[in-house]
Amino acid sequence: AQSVTQPDIHITVSEGASLELRCNYSYGATPYLFWYVQSPGQGLQLLLKYFSGDTLVQGIKGFEAEFKRSQSSFNLRKPSVHWSDAAEYFCAVGMDSSYKLIFGSGTRLLVRP
Amino acid sequence: GAVVSQHPSRVICKSGTSVKIECRSLDFQATTMFWYRQFPKKSLMLMATSNEGSKATYEQGVEKDKFLINHASLTLSTLTVTSAHPEDSSFYICSASTITGYEQYFGPGTRLTVT
Repeated sequence: AQSVTQPDIHITVSEGASLELRCNYSYGATPYLFWYVQSPGQGLQLLLKYFSGDTLVQGIKGFEAEFKRSQSSFNLRKPSVHWSDAAEYFCAVGMDSSYKLIFGSGTRLLVRP
Repeated sequence: GAVVSQHPSRVICKSGTSVKIECRSLDFQATTMFWYRQFPKKSLMLMATSNEGSKATYEQGVEKDKFLINHASLTLSTLTVTSAHPEDSSFYICSASTITGYEQYFGPGTRLTVT
């Protein structure tokens, strides 16, 4: 079955430290890949997306993600975290022509001052 | 660009009443709109997909007679929770996509509390 896994429920990093949030998917072909961020009580904001081409994609707010086909992964990274990055992060995958997205369970990022 | 609004942002209703939530794409035409439900500290659960002018497609386990979805125009979709009960209390989020497909733009969500 198609699925998206975010193995880390919570991650805590110090402000200024680097960040990597993991995302793995299960699908037979190359999916469409997204990372969204959600602040408490808010909707989702798109950080970045991968459809095809260069496997390292740049997004907003200094985030980037790398698609690794061999590992079925699309990990999100940021070299230096800011306190305002504290939020819930969702990886999402589009896998078929229905345009539906399957979301991972989310990773809550906490930032230590 | 690509702004999606939802109204209301919060609503409290009594058990047994119906509540309508609006989702609007403000600066683009939304070929497809999606309705999600999010439980506290949980991921988004897709409830249904709606295309303008046609009936919504509901996900397995979602009661279509309870969650009525209308997508009457390319900029407006509504979700009506009929005969609401406390277990329907949740955060409802809509999203909209254009004809190009996969990229979804999300609304800010509606917090529904049924007393």
